[in-house]
Amino acid sequence: ETGVTQTPRHLVMGMTNKKSLKCEQHLGHNAMYWYKQSAKKPLELMFVYNFKEQTENNSVPSRFSPECPNSSHLFLHLHTLQPEDSALYLCASSQGGTGNTIYFGEGSWLTVV
Amino acid sequence: DQQVKQNSPSLSVQEGRISILNCDYTNSMFDYFLWYKKYPAEGPTFLISISSIKDKNEDGRFTVFLNKSAKHLSLHIVPSQPGDSAVYFCAASAVLYNFNKFYFGSGTKLNVKP
Repeated sequence: ETGVTQTPRHLVMGMTNKKSLKCEQHLGHNAMYWYKQSAKKPLELMFVYNFKEQTENNSVPSRFSPECPNSSHLFLHLHTLQPEDSALYLCASSQGGTGNTIYFGEGSWLTVV
Repeated sequence: DQQVKQNSPSLSVQEGRISILNCDYTNSMFDYFLWYKKYPAEGPTFLISISSIKDKNEDGRFTVFLNKSAKHLSLHIVPSQPGDSAVYFCAASAVLYNFNKFYFGSGTKLNVKP
C-alpha cells in the first residue's frame, strides 16, 4: 500500500467510448502526476498538477483530458482513443521540494479495441 | 531526448551473488536520484534514493552509488535473491517552479536464478 489508489485497475473500451481513470492520494502531497507506460518504453510523463494547478502538459493529445478538483484527487478523462493508446497508466504523487520521493499507484491497464 | 538512460535492458545473476544495475544521466541540474522496483501489472515501488550531496546510500541489501563527475549511478543488491527478479527503474529529479519533475530510465529487467 503506497498511499496512492487508482481505479479501475483494468479497463477495456471501444474507440468511440468515453471513460475516466481515477486516482486518490492519502499522503498529503501537493503534486500529482499521470504517467504512461507502453511496452519497452520509458515511463512517459503526461501531466503534472501542483496545488490543483496544471503545471505540465507534455504534448499529450487532447483525447486525454486531466482534471484535478483538489490536491488529493486526479482524474484522466478518455474519449475517442486509438488502439495505440493501450498502455498502463500510472498516477503518482509527491511533496514539492528537493529530496522528495514520488510514489506510484498500482496503475490502470487500458485496452482500446 | 532521454535525460536518464539505462543501457542494459536485462541482467541475469545467480542467487547469492551481487547484482549491479547502472544508470546514466545528462542533466547536471538533477539533485535527487531514486531507484524503483516494478513487478508486472503493478506500479513502481520506491526502493532507495540518494541526494546529490552524497556519493553512497545503503539500506539493507541495497546500496546506491552516485558519481556526479561521470553522471552515473548504480544500484548494488547483495546478496541477490530470487524475489528480487523484477524490472528496476532509475529516476532523477529536479525542482522546477516549486514542484519536482522526475525523469525515468527505460528499466533493466533483473533475473535472479536459484
